[in-house]
Amino acid sequence: DAGVTQSPTHLIKTRGQQVTLRCSPISGHKSVSWYQQVLGQGPQFIFQYYEKEERGRGNFPDRFSARQFPNYSSELNVNALLLGDSALYLCASSPGRSSGANVLTFGAGSRLTVL
Amino acid sequence: LAKTTQPISMDSYEGQEVNITCSHNNIATNDYITWYQQFPSQGPRFIIQGYKTKVTNEVASLFIPADRKSSTLSLPRVSLSDTAVYYCLVGDNGANNLFFGTGTRLTVIP
Repeated sequence: DAGVTQSPTHLIKTRGQQVTLRCSPISGHKSVSWYQQVLGQGPQFIFQYYEKEERGRGNFPDRFSARQFPNYSSELNVNALLLGDSALYLCASSPGRSSGANVLTFGAGSRLTVL
Repeated sequence: LAKTTQPISMDSYEGQEVNITCSHNNIATNDYITWYQQFPSQGPRFIIQGYKTKVTNEVASLFIPADRKSSTLSLPRVSLSDTAVYYCLVGDNGANNLFFGTGTRLTVIP
């Protein structure tokens, strides 16, 4: 079975540009989350989507947006890129909202470098 | 959103048992405790999850005292390939907005 797949794996952009990152969850998983991981730090929560609706948003500026498609894949968009947006962007999927236990399966990430 | 506190780093020799303790004083009634492992340039990987007492799987054990304000991840007989960052997370009910913190960097020495 395919795990969580993300594309592209690496990309380089310049300040002010826009970027779109893509994620395909594990088959049957309805929830997708996005995390930003800056070098040397733990992942920081950006968004969660469940059944195509936004269920959570972290402390990120409006330059960050996302959406989830009917097939549960997701895109993360970042506009007006800043040098500080350089990071590993991780997508994680899970079966969905439950009463307690919540295990995320992460993709390998998209490494974004902003010059 | 419950936060966690872990040691920043630990060193261990190959073949030893490693115990990493995590504090989570503000854990809520419905929260589960989950540990992830992360290698450089990879996404975190699920290790183990528990609610109370002890949980064991093929790679680790998780000990949770009755007050649930802390937990201990136990890795039996570590090898060089266990060198990684280990994150302790306390999850809100069904939410994905987990707080990872900085984790514990485990270095296994030959």
